Amino acid sequence: NAGVTQTPKFQVLKTGQSMTLQCAQDMNHNSMYWYRQDPGMGLRLIYYSASEGTTDKGEVPNGYNVSRLNKREFSLRLESAAPSQTSVYFCASVEGAYEQYFGPGTRLTVT
Amino acid sequence: QQPVQSPQAVILREGEDAVINCSSSKALYSVHWYRQKHGEAPVFLMILLKGGEQKGHEKISASFNEKKQQSSLYLTASQLSYSGTYFCGTRTPNAGNNRKLIWGLGTSLAVNP
Repeated sequence: NAGVTQTPKFQVLKTGQSMTLQCAQDMNHNSMYWYRQDPGMGLRLIYYSASEGTTDKGEVPNGYNVSRLNKREFSLRLESAAPSQTSVYFCASVEGAYEQYFGPGTRLTVT
Repeated sequence: QQPVQSPQAVILREGEDAVINCSSSKALYSVHWYRQKHGEAPVFLMILLKGGEQKGHEKISASFNEKKQQSSLYLTASQLSYSGTYFCGTRTPNAGNNRKLIWGLGTSLAVNP
């Protein structure tokens, strides 16, 4: 039982490049989230998926797209990376309204 | 809309107590507390639900005052392992099927020997 896994752990991109962050959970949870965390800013929700087949924007969706591939997997895509997207990205999953389980994070630097 | 946490930072000696507060301008359905150690992901500590139900799995206590729209996290006889940043996340009663939390900016806690 791995919980929530994220790949890659670290990534360096040049401005304008694209990439996809992968997230998978093995707890059969319905809801999944993507957050970004910047120093002093706390956790900000980018996109979430309340259930398989649905996705909705969070607080800071600009510059990102998501895909809920199946119940297990929820990916985050940066189409044209910008330095402002340098951040730590966390994926999380939850069943019901209770404990959110976070992945280990992806540390992304855009130069 | 974002809950306000206080204090922003606190430094303790091992064995001392601390209280971290989380206040909202909106009515709350639940308050969720997480701890994040440096370089790691946030980890669930506790959830407090409207009506008094409390769910958690660590030896840390908390209160939820629905009328004042605030919650407090109590760390007693602090240990070195308590160091980290504590976040509260709040959910409003009209959230419906939306499981989103609104997060505070965090309280940094350092416990020294």
